[in-house]
Amino acid sequence: EDQVTQSPEALRLQEGESSSLNCSYTVSGLRGLFWYRQDPGKGPEFLFTLYSAGEEKEKERLKATLTKKESFLHITAPKPEDSATYLCAVRYNAGNMLTFGGGTRLMVKP
Amino acid sequence: DTEVTQTPKHLVMGMTNKKSLKCEQHMGHRAMYWYKQKAKKPPELMFVYSYEKLSINESVPSRFSPECPNSSLLNLHLHALQPEDSALYLCASSQEFRQFNEKLFFGSGTQLSVL
Repeated sequence: EDQVTQSPEALRLQEGESSSLNCSYTVSGLRGLFWYRQDPGKGPEFLFTLYSAGEEKEKERLKATLTKKESFLHITAPKPEDSATYLCAVRYNAGNMLTFGGGTRLMVKP
Repeated sequence: DTEVTQTPKHLVMGMTNKKSLKCEQHMGHRAMYWYKQKAKKPPELMFVYSYEKLSINESVPSRFSPECPNSSLLNLHLHALQPEDSALYLCASSQEFRQFNEKLFFGSGTQLSVL
């Protein structure tokens, strides 16, 4: 069964404490993996798209990487304003629709 | 303009009411979507319109009725909802539907409470 699983469900960090969020997938024929950030009561905001294993994308304190089984969102020296839910979603051959993972709720304390 | 605008931001309705949610984009996108999101859950796809025609209906109850009057507008008509329909309703758009590299642009959503 095609699945997208994110871990941890929730993560508390101190300001400046770097960490990584994980998105693992068991789909055949990955066509793209997307990372979104969602603030409470708002819609998801697009961050990155990754297409093939070995690909990396960066934006400010965020860096996304992709392997054949999972993607990591690395957060370097996070700030309180990075607190949000981070969603990953995949598109694959069979479905061709976005399948979302459950999200990771990140809280960064000052 | 890279915005998807949704109105209203908040809506409280009774189970006998009829209301509509509205969504607008001016990016020239030809695909528009409705998602439902419960608290601490990922968005769930409800409907997809491509070139103003309904392409996907994810077995959504008939008390939800989508409408796409033109390529920039998307409505969701609500009638006889149940309390379990309370959720954040998100509109999204993309350049085309069924292209693997398409990314979705989401609106801020309508927080719906059904009493």
